[in-house]
Amino acid sequence: DAKTTQPNSMESNEEEPVHLPCNHSTISGTDYIHWYRQLPSQGPEYVIHGLTSNVNNRMASLAIAEDRKSSTLILHRATLRDAAVYYCILIQSGTASKLTFGTGTRLQVTL
Amino acid sequence: DAGVTQSPTHLIKTRGQHVTLRCSPISGHKSVSWYQQVLGQGPQFIFQYYEKEERGRGNFPDRFSARQFPNYSSELNVNALLLGDSALYLCASRIIPRNQETQYFGPGTRLLVL
Repeated sequence: DAKTTQPNSMESNEEEPVHLPCNHSTISGTDYIHWYRQLPSQGPEYVIHGLTSNVNNRMASLAIAEDRKSSTLILHRATLRDAAVYYCILIQSGTASKLTFGTGTRLQVTL
Repeated sequence: DAGVTQSPTHLIKTRGQHVTLRCSPISGHKSVSWYQQVLGQGPQFIFQYYEKEERGRGNFPDRFSARQFPNYSSELNVNALLLGDSALYLCASRIIPRNQETQYFGPGTRLLVL
Protein backbone atom coordinates (compact mmCIF):
# COMPACT_ATOMS: atom_id res chain seq x y z
CA ASP A 1 0.00 0.00 0.00
CA ALA A 2 1.24 3.49 -0.84
CA LYS A 3 2.42 5.26 2.29
CA THR A 4 1.59 8.77 3.44
CA THR A 5 3.41 10.77 6.08
CA GLN A 6 1.71 13.43 8.16
CA PRO A 7 2.70 15.35 11.29
CA ASN A 8 1.20 13.84 14.42
CA SER A 9 -0.38 17.08 15.59
CA MET A 10 -0.87 20.72 14.72
CA GLU A 11 -2.37 23.70 16.46
CA SER A 12 -4.24 26.67 15.07
CA ASN A 13 -6.05 29.72 16.35
CA GLU A 14 -9.69 30.10 15.53
CA GLU A 15 -10.43 31.96 12.29
CA GLU A 16 -6.86 31.54 11.11
CA PRO A 17 -5.98 29.51 7.98
CA VAL A 18 -4.56 26.03 8.54
CA HIS A 19 -2.26 24.16 6.19
CA LEU A 20 -2.09 20.42 6.83
CA PRO A 21 0.78 18.78 4.91
CA CYS A 22 1.02 15.24 3.59
CA ASN A 23 3.96 13.52 1.91
CA HIS A 24 3.35 10.64 -0.48
CA SER A 25 6.61 10.19 -2.34
CA THR A 26 5.70 6.71 -3.67
CA ILE A 27 2.47 7.84 -5.31
CA SER A 28 1.78 6.40 -8.75
CA GLY A 29 0.12 8.11 -11.66
CA THR A 30 -3.37 6.74 -11.09
CA ASP A 31 -3.53 7.12 -7.31
CA TYR A 32 -6.19 9.50 -6.02
CA ILE A 33 -5.42 11.67 -2.98
CA HIS A 34 -8.28 11.71 -0.49
CA TRP A 35 -8.65 13.57 2.79
CA TYR A 36 -11.00 12.46 5.52
CA ARG A 37 -11.39 13.79 9.03
CA GLN A 38 -12.70 12.19 12.18
CA LEU A 39 -14.31 14.29 14.86
CA PRO A 40 -14.35 12.91 18.40
CA SER A 41 -16.72 9.97 18.84
CA GLN A 42 -17.79 10.00 15.19
CA GLY A 43 -17.04 8.04 12.04
CA PRO A 44 -14.66 9.53 9.47
CA GLU A 45 -16.06 12.25 7.23
CA TYR A 46 -15.01 12.97 3.64
CA VAL A 47 -13.32 16.32 3.15
CA ILE A 48 -11.91 16.50 -0.37
CA HIS A 49 -10.05 14.54 -3.03
CA GLY A 50 -8.00 15.15 -6.14
CA LEU A 51 -5.81 13.54 -8.75
CA THR A 52 -3.52 16.15 -10.28
CA SER A 53 -5.10 19.59 -10.13
CA ASN A 54 -5.85 21.72 -7.10
CA VAL A 55 -9.41 21.34 -5.86
CA ASN A 56 -11.78 23.54 -3.90
CA ASN A 57 -15.05 22.75 -2.16
CA ARG A 58 -17.12 24.31 0.58
CA MET A 59 -15.09 22.64 3.30
CA ALA A 60 -11.51 23.08 2.17
CA SER A 61 -8.96 23.38 -0.62
CA LEU A 62 -6.49 20.75 -1.73
CA ALA A 63 -3.17 21.87 -3.16
CA ILE A 64 -1.26 19.13 -4.99
CA ALA A 65 2.42 19.53 -5.77
CA GLU A 66 3.40 19.45 -9.42
CA ASP A 67 5.28 16.13 -8.96
CA ARG A 68 2.34 14.84 -6.86
CA LYS A 69 4.70 13.69 -4.11
CA SER A 70 3.04 15.93 -1.56
CA SER A 71 -0.23 17.70 -0.96
CA THR A 72 -1.65 20.23 1.47
CA LEU A 73 -5.14 20.45 2.87
CA ILE A 74 -6.09 24.06 3.47
CA LEU A 75 -8.81 25.11 5.88
CA HIS A 76 -9.33 28.77 5.11
CA ARG A 77 -10.71 29.80 8.49
CA ALA A 78 -10.44 27.21 11.24
CA THR A 79 -13.26 26.97 13.74
CA LEU A 80 -13.55 24.99 16.95
CA ARG A 81 -15.69 22.51 15.00
CA ASP A 82 -12.70 21.72 12.79
CA ALA A 83 -10.82 20.13 15.68
CA ALA A 84 -10.38 16.54 14.50
CA VAL A 85 -7.92 13.96 13.23
CA TYR A 86 -7.24 14.57 9.55
CA TYR A 87 -6.22 11.63 7.37
CA CYS A 88 -4.44 11.87 4.04
CA ILE A 89 -5.10 8.69 2.05
CA LEU A 90 -3.99 7.39 -1.33
CA ILE A 91 -6.44 5.20 -3.18
CA GLN A 92 -4.68 2.92 -5.60
CA SER A 93 -6.04 1.15 -8.62
CA GLY A 94 -6.64 -2.54 -8.10
CA THR A 95 -6.99 -2.31 -4.34
CA ALA A 96 -10.79 -2.49 -4.23
CA SER A 97 -10.63 1.28 -3.76
CA LYS A 98 -10.15 0.73 -0.04
CA LEU A 99 -9.12 3.51 2.29
CA THR A 100 -5.78 2.83 4.00
CA PHE A 101 -5.71 5.12 7.03
CA GLY A 102 -2.45 6.12 8.68
CA THR A 103 -2.19 7.81 12.05
CA GLY A 104 -3.33 11.19 10.72
CA THR A 105 -2.79 14.70 12.06
CA ARG A 106 -4.63 15.74 15.18
CA LEU A 107 -5.65 19.37 14.73
CA GLN A 108 -6.28 21.46 17.83
CA VAL A 109 -8.09 24.78 17.41
CA THR A 110 -7.95 27.32 20.18
CA LEU A 111 -9.74 30.61 20.77
CA ASP B 1 -31.98 11.63 3.48
CA ALA B 2 -30.77 9.21 6.12
CA GLY B 3 -27.07 8.57 6.31
CA VAL B 4 -25.39 5.24 6.93
CA THR B 5 -26.91 3.56 9.96
CA GLN B 6 -25.36 0.87 12.12
CA SER B 7 -26.72 -1.30 14.87
CA PRO B 8 -26.24 -1.82 17.68
CA THR B 9 -24.40 1.28 18.84
CA HIS B 10 -22.68 -0.49 21.71
CA LEU B 11 -22.15 -4.14 22.54
CA ILE B 12 -20.44 -6.10 25.31
CA LYS B 13 -19.44 -9.71 24.73
CA THR B 14 -17.20 -12.24 26.42
CA ARG B 15 -14.27 -14.12 24.91
CA GLY B 16 -15.28 -17.00 22.68
CA GLN B 17 -18.71 -15.61 21.82
CA HIS B 18 -19.73 -14.49 18.38
CA VAL B 19 -21.19 -11.16 17.29
CA THR B 20 -23.20 -9.83 14.35
CA LEU B 21 -23.05 -6.17 13.41
CA ARG B 22 -25.45 -4.58 10.96
CA CYS B 23 -25.18 -1.75 8.47
CA SER B 24 -27.72 -0.01 6.25
CA PRO B 25 -26.16 2.05 3.45
CA ILE B 26 -27.39 5.33 2.08
CA SER B 27 -30.28 4.78 -0.32
CA GLY B 28 -28.93 4.13 -3.81
CA HIS B 29 -25.49 3.06 -2.61
CA LYS B 30 -24.56 -0.44 -3.74
CA SER B 31 -21.14 -0.81 -2.12
CA VAL B 32 -20.46 -1.35 1.57
CA SER B 33 -17.11 -1.55 3.33
CA TRP B 34 -16.25 -2.49 6.89
CA TYR B 35 -13.41 -1.05 8.98
CA GLN B 36 -12.07 -1.79 12.45
CA GLN B 37 -10.72 1.07 14.55
CA VAL B 38 -8.79 0.16 17.66
CA LEU B 39 -8.45 2.93 20.24
CA GLY B 40 -5.79 5.42 19.27
CA GLN B 41 -5.32 4.14 15.72
CA GLY B 42 -6.78 4.86 12.31
CA PRO B 43 -9.46 2.58 10.86
CA GLN B 44 -8.27 -0.65 9.23
CA PHE B 45 -10.02 -2.11 6.19
CA ILE B 46 -11.78 -5.44 6.73
CA PHE B 47 -14.11 -6.09 3.78
CA GLN B 48 -15.72 -4.50 0.77
CA TYR B 49 -18.91 -5.75 -0.84
CA TYR B 50 -20.48 -4.64 -4.09
CA GLU B 51 -23.61 -6.07 -5.62
CA LYS B 52 -23.63 -8.78 -2.94
CA GLU B 53 -20.17 -10.03 -3.84
CA GLU B 54 -16.95 -9.67 -1.85
CA ARG B 55 -14.67 -7.33 -3.77
CA GLY B 56 -11.88 -6.89 -1.25
CA ARG B 57 -10.60 -8.31 2.00
CA GLY B 58 -8.11 -6.88 4.46
CA ASN B 59 -5.59 -8.72 6.60
CA PHE B 60 -8.04 -10.20 9.10
CA PRO B 61 -8.42 -13.84 10.22
CA ASP B 62 -11.16 -16.13 8.96
CA ARG B 63 -13.07 -15.50 12.18
CA PHE B 64 -14.26 -12.36 10.42
CA SER B 65 -16.90 -12.78 7.73
CA ALA B 66 -19.50 -10.60 6.10
CA ARG B 67 -22.28 -10.63 3.60
CA GLN B 68 -24.42 -8.20 1.67
CA PHE B 69 -28.13 -8.63 1.14
CA PRO B 70 -30.28 -7.88 -1.94
CA ASN B 71 -31.29 -4.52 -0.39
CA TYR B 72 -27.54 -3.73 -0.11
CA SER B 73 -27.51 -3.80 3.69
CA SER B 74 -24.67 -5.77 5.21
CA GLU B 75 -23.70 -7.84 8.20
CA LEU B 76 -20.27 -8.33 9.74
CA ASN B 77 -19.82 -11.50 11.78
CA VAL B 78 -16.97 -12.20 14.15
CA ASN B 79 -16.61 -15.68 15.70
CA ALA B 80 -14.59 -16.81 18.71
CA LEU B 81 -14.14 -13.29 20.00
CA LEU B 82 -10.78 -12.29 21.45
CA LEU B 83 -10.00 -9.42 23.77
CA GLY B 84 -8.16 -7.77 20.88
CA ASP B 85 -11.38 -7.56 18.88
CA SER B 86 -12.52 -4.75 21.14
CA ALA B 87 -12.82 -1.80 18.80
CA LEU B 88 -15.10 0.58 16.96
CA TYR B 89 -16.48 -1.13 13.86
CA LEU B 90 -17.29 1.27 11.08
CA CYS B 91 -19.40 0.74 8.00
CA ALA B 92 -19.03 2.93 4.94
CA SER B 93 -21.15 3.06 1.80
CA ARG B 94 -20.74 4.54 -1.66
CA ILE B 95 -22.57 4.34 -4.94
CA ILE B 96 -19.99 2.16 -6.68
CA PRO B 97 -16.44 1.21 -5.71
CA ARG B 98 -14.44 3.60 -7.85
CA ASN B 99 -11.21 5.25 -6.70
CA GLN B 100 -12.65 8.74 -6.91
CA GLU B 101 -15.88 7.86 -5.18
CA THR B 102 -16.59 9.35 -1.74
CA GLN B 103 -17.21 6.92 1.09
CA TYR B 104 -19.82 7.84 3.71
CA PHE B 105 -19.26 6.43 7.16
CA GLY B 106 -21.77 5.46 9.80
CA PRO B 107 -21.30 6.28 13.49
CA GLY B 108 -19.93 2.83 14.22
CA THR B 109 -20.61 0.01 16.64
CA ARG B 110 -18.43 0.00 19.72
CA LEU B 111 -17.63 -3.58 20.72
CA LEU B 112 -16.12 -4.46 24.08
CA VAL B 113 -14.90 -8.01 24.63
CA LEU B 114 -14.36 -9.03 28.25
